[in-house]
Amino acid sequence: KAGVTQTPRYLIKTRGQQVTLSCSPISGHRSVSWYQQTPGQGLQFLFEYFSETQRNKGNFPGRFSGRQFSNSRSEMNVSTLELGDSALYLCASRPTTGSYGYTFGSGTRLTVV
Amino acid sequence: AQSVTQLGSHVSVSEGALVLLRCNYSSSVPPYLFWYVQYPNQGLQLLLKYTSAATLVKGINGFEAEFKKSETSFHLTKPSAHMSDAAEYFCAVSASGGGADGLTFGKGTHLIIQP
Repeated sequence: KAGVTQTPRYLIKTRGQQVTLSCSPISGHRSVSWYQQTPGQGLQFLFEYFSETQRNKGNFPGRFSGRQFSNSRSEMNVSTLELGDSALYLCASRPTTGSYGYTFGSGTRLTVV
Repeated sequence: AQSVTQLGSHVSVSEGALVLLRCNYSSSVPPYLFWYVQYPNQGLQLLLKYTSAATLVKGINGFEAEFKKSETSFHLTKPSAHMSDAAEYFCAVSASGGGADGLTFGKGTHLIIQP
């Protein structure tokens, strides 16, 4: 069974640009969430999607947005990039019933210069 | 609101020794608790989870954790450390099993294994 796939693995962007990250959940998983990991702030919850609907969002500015498609694949977008947006962005998926544990992808390392 | 405190940003043990990583949580509702491990340049791997079924939870790679409500703790242990256990460990809490409110993580504990 394929795991959670995130693309690209590495990304370098310039301040002011925008970026889109992609996440393909495990087949059959309909819930997808995103996390930002930085050395200073640690792991922080960005948002969670279920059946194409955002169910919750963490304490991040409106520059951070996301969406989920009918096949459960998800994208997150960051507009007007700032240096502080440099981080590892992790996507996680889980089944809708049964296990409560999320399965994480390997992440996308975003560097803003 | 939930919160997690992991005591000790770095823990060093000798190979073969007991591993004990501490986690205390705060939650206004009965919590769901998780331990994840992260190896360099990788994502998070679920070690074990507590979902109120049993207070002593066994996970992968010989790890286990005990939920103690009176102490609001969920410490992670392993009887005998192996070099391959060297990694970053995160404790996380959720009020709804990792659903709409997401996971709240601790700051992490870097486990160092001395040969």
